Amino acid sequence: DTGVSQNPRHKITKRGQNVTFRCDPISEHNRLYWYRQTLGQGPEFLTYFQNEAQLEKSRLLSDRFSAERPKGSFSTLEIQRTEQGDSAMYLCASSPGDLVEKLFFGSGTQLSVL
Amino acid sequence: GQQLNQSPQSMFIQEGEDVSMNCTSSSIFNTWLWYKQDPGEGPVLLIALYKAGELTSNGRLTAQFGITRKDSFLNISASIPSDVGIYFCAGPRGNTGKLIFGQGTTLQVKP
Repeated sequence: DTGVSQNPRHKITKRGQNVTFRCDPISEHNRLYWYRQTLGQGPEFLTYFQNEAQLEKSRLLSDRFSAERPKGSFSTLEIQRTEQGDSAMYLCASSPGDLVEKLFFGSGTQLSVL
Repeated sequence: GQQLNQSPQSMFIQEGEDVSMNCTSSSIFNTWLWYKQDPGEGPVLLIALYKAGELTSNGRLTAQFGITRKDSFLNISASIPSDVGIYFCAGPRGNTGKLIFGQGTTLQVKP
């Protein structure tokens, strides 16, 4: 078991471009979460999946953001028409069910929008 | 919205000293979690607390779940340089991994 894997680790893009991040959870973890973390703040919840179903989305997730988990395994987070305010660390986490003590985070994707 | 307030915001201590930090909330949590985050990495769970008044240790770390269920504290004894990082408290909303995080306490340890 290699833990939660996120790619890429870093992404630099120009304002207005689209970006996509990938998260591979720990195998057999049916829940997958996306968080965003800006400098000097704690992570903020964006959305989560149970298997392939997206069960909740935060108000932080504007209509430029879309997340998928098509086969209940890996997930992608896409940001369309990026803005400078989207610059942040995007963290993925997974867990087996609702056991918060078994929630493991990936190393994140650091996005910089120029 | 729900907020967790951590204090102090940052600490700069000498190696070997003990450290104490706390976390308060305006609402009740049934579980308190303490995480450590190293630069460029995701948070790693240190201690989970499940009952009001509970005191739990993990090596040199000790955490307590406040009686009111609105606060928690974390102590680190005999700090070492690898304790450097950002410490976050967090509480779950509902039966999910949807966590509310505090703003973090940044710890620096001088050898």
